[in-house]
Amino acid sequence: EAEVAQSPRYKITEKSQAVAFWCDPISGHATLYWYRQILGQGPELLVQFQDESVVDDSQLPKDRFSAERLKGVDSTLKIQPAELGDSAMYLCASSPKETQYFGPGTRLLVL
Amino acid sequence: QKEVEQDPGPLSVPEGAIVSLNCTYSNSAFQYFMWYRQYSRKGPELLMYTYSSGNKEDGRFTAQVDKSSKYISLFIRDSQPSDSATYLCATDRYGNNRLAFGKGNQVVVIP
Repeated sequence: EAEVAQSPRYKITEKSQAVAFWCDPISGHATLYWYRQILGQGPELLVQFQDESVVDDSQLPKDRFSAERLKGVDSTLKIQPAELGDSAMYLCASSPKETQYFGPGTRLLVL
Repeated sequence: QKEVEQDPGPLSVPEGAIVSLNCTYSNSAFQYFMWYRQYSRKGPELLMYTYSSGNKEDGRFTAQVDKSSKYISLFIRDSQPSDSATYLCATDRYGNNRLAFGKGNQVVVIP
């Protein structure tokens, strides 16, 4: 069964450093999402792509976060510089239509 | 006001009991509602998807939407230890695939 792949699974970094997360969606899924899930909270949408275009990035803190999906397949989410409050699980999801399929996430700890 | 409110308190039940989970939502225009299950250190997986009002049943799981009170519910019958997970309610708000999640309920089924 096809799955959304994410790497790394865990990342520890110091504040002010740059971090990057990678997502490979299920083949053929045109829509890709990045979410942030703080411990004890539900996921919050950061950015939504349709193919290579950003559809919604209204909740992405653009002063430090960036996301790209250059060829409309895999995607990278970057944080620079990382802050203590960025410690969270970063989830990637993809969908062919309505149903979103989530990857296992990248757990980020900023020290 | 958050779009979806879910009392995040943990819930422990004995094996075989009925689990009852609830959420409220803010806008009567919302039409699409989901329940996701999230095991520890994993991404959420879609459990139930309902449109508008009424009940939907899938095996031991029943999802209910009461539009008059803006209330959504999930019932798990004959609960099993493998049902131990966090359950997240979500709405697709306006059918544009941008989900808003509740905080989640951690459910523990005790053998």
